[in-house]
Amino acid sequence: DIQMTQSPSSLSTSVGDRVTITCRASQNIGRYLNWYQQKAGKAPNLLIYAASSLQSGVPPRFSGSGSGTEFTLTVSSLQPEDFATYYCQQSYSNLYTFGQGTKVEIK
Amino acid sequence: QITLKESGPTLVKPTQTLTLTCTFSGFSLSTSGVGVGWIRQPPGKALEWLALIYWDDDKRYSPSLRSRLTIVKNTSKNQVVLTMTNVDPVDTATYYCAHRRSISGYGDALDIWGQGTMVIVSS
Repeated sequence: DIQMTQSPSSLSTSVGDRVTITCRASQNIGRYLNWYQQKAGKAPNLLIYAASSLQSGVPPRFSGSGSGTEFTLTVSSLQPEDFATYYCQQSYSNLYTFGQGTKVEIK
Repeated sequence: QITLKESGPTLVKPTQTLTLTCTFSGFSLSTSGVGVGWIRQPPGKALEWLALIYWDDDKRYSPSLRSRLTIVKNTSKNQVVLTMTNVDPVDTATYYCAHRRSISGYGDALDIWGQGTMVIVSS
């Protein structure tokens, strides 16, 4: 299995801050990496696919980068609606795996 | 517009078999490249991928749950059914189905999700 490890597990931040979340894969997955946002009580929502491509309708303050085993999700200026949990997911293997999630909280 | 909706029992007893149905619209599971996946989330915990079925009836299962899961599709009814045998309280979770989008050269993503259905395993 390909293991996905996110860091940090949680972070406290303020509106307007720049936020970066890291996701590491246990083996080289190329750019087969997606990011999801999940708000409390809701289904996840696809933000970024193929490591850096913005899903339609997602604000441009979200961006993704990386390849191989290390990836980052960046929010350039955090908005109130961005407080949520973020998950990475690999699709390199047909056996998908998710990271353990990063909860972004209000400081 | 693609939509998916999960349905099934809210309460299941330990050792029983859980059957969940994903009813979708806006796409066909007979179209090349299309897939539907199942993902679950125990209360307060992370997402866990369970299974995926493709347009050509190819199937993939989580290695840790493979022996307990079966995924099938009914193309005419626009449904995908997931069964899980011998359930345990640790299987208590919200279960989601999602549309798999193929991304040329870069794998795929789960781009549209259902609202989820909560399943409690308890005697």
